[in-house]
Amino acid sequence: EVQLVESGGGLVQPGGSLRLSCAASGFTFSSYEMNWVRQAPGKGLEWVSYISTSGNTRYADSVKGRFTISRDNAKSSLYLQMNSLRVEDTAFYYCARGIHAFGYWGQGTLVTVSS
Amino acid sequence: EIVMTQSPATVSVSPGERATLSCRASQSVSSNVAWYQQKPGQAPRHLIYDASTRATGIPARFSGSGSGTEFTLTISSLQSEDFAVYYCQQYNNWPPYTFGQGTKLEIK
Repeated sequence: EVQLVESGGGLVQPGGSLRLSCAASGFTFSSYEMNWVRQAPGKGLEWVSYISTSGNTRYADSVKGRFTISRDNAKSSLYLQMNSLRVEDTAFYYCARGIHAFGYWGQGTLVTVSS
Repeated sequence: EIVMTQSPATVSVSPGERATLSCRASQSVSSNVAWYQQKPGQAPRHLIYDASTRATGIPARFSGSGSGTEFTLTISSLQSEDFAVYYCQQYNNWPPYTFGQGTKLEIK
């Protein structure tokens, strides 16, 4: 069974940093592209970042230069390093598997940016 | 950036009836559209890809259609578990992948 489990969310002040993790199991992690998608409380879905199997990355303009996606295939883990956090980055962050359509999602981790 | 616009924002349908949800792209996205279902407190669930192909394990009462700029998700004979928020997403021109704002399907 495919499982994606996010962790690392929490309360951080504006300008602060946070690193999210996504632990994958039930499939060959190294063979799949991965993404981060976020959802502000009560709002819609917003794609954040993508990483290919070979490590190529893409970002939404809203996070470019502040967020960094990475992966460790040996640990079957996906990461999102978030720096210079803003109040508008407050959201549930989901890791999602796939290129184009996202077939599997984790349960999400909440990031709250507030003073 | 391609803008995906869903209508209506909320639709009320009785159990056993058919629901039709619409999604419009700001420019042609060919058939590169996916649909997701999200229930309160849960992650999105993938329903449809390539506009009309059901994802693994999705019941046949869910069907997708359309190409270019107009897309439809149809749920025939609504079950109680189908009441949720539905999102469309385009992956024809990315980055960024873009989602519609969602349609809430509620019980009439």
